[in-house]
Amino acid sequence: DAGVIQSPRHEVTEMGQEVTLRCKPISGHDYLFWYRQTMMRGLELLIYFNNNVPIDDSGMPEDRFSAKMPNASFSTLKIQPSEPRDSAVYFCASRPLPGQGANGANVLTFGAGSRLTVL
Amino acid sequence: AQSVTQLGSHVSVSEGALVLLRCNYSSSVPPYLFWYVQYPNQGLQLLLKYTSAATLVKGINGFEAEFKKSETSFHLTKPSAHMSDAAEYFCAVSRTGGFKTIFGAGTRLFVKA
Repeated sequence: DAGVIQSPRHEVTEMGQEVTLRCKPISGHDYLFWYRQTMMRGLELLIYFNNNVPIDDSGMPEDRFSAKMPNASFSTLKIQPSEPRDSAVYFCASRPLPGQGANGANVLTFGAGSRLTVL
Repeated sequence: AQSVTQLGSHVSVSEGALVLLRCNYSSSVPPYLFWYVQYPNQGLQLLLKYTSAATLVKGINGFEAEFKKSETSFHLTKPSAHMSDAAEYFCAVSRTGGFKTIFGAGTRLFVKA
């Protein structure tokens, strides 16, 4: 398996523009998570899905952020309109059902991240 | 609710010296505990995990961690630091059978030649 695939790896955009980040989880993983990493706030959980259904979006900072998972192999995180304070590295991670998988026990596999800079 | 506290945002050691990164957790139920490592411009990778089996857990690259329930700690150690260990290390907690993983603020390890 190629692991969790994220795109783009780097995005530079201007304030007010729409940003779409993409994630392909590991095949067979039932859970998908979006995290945001900044120097000030560390690693924050934004939202997670189980079997393509959003379970907890309490970490989504505001209505400008939205996430979808139209099928088991694809998820998007959209920011519209973007603001400079959205600049961060956004990570997607996936994992199988609790206790399953090669590593088992709630182990997350992370993508390489998408570094977003909003000017 | 669960939480993780990592003591020290930066730790600096000399090559060959002991590495000790501290982590304390809070959990109302038996936890799963993890250490992840992040190298520059990469995602987080699992270093080791505790899942209620042996309290001393061995991970990759010579790292190990000991679960101490009485101290609610899960400190990460390595007997001899190597330059390649320079990275950011995250302690994390998850509830048994639960879905969320909560991460600490991270500790950046510097290794001096």
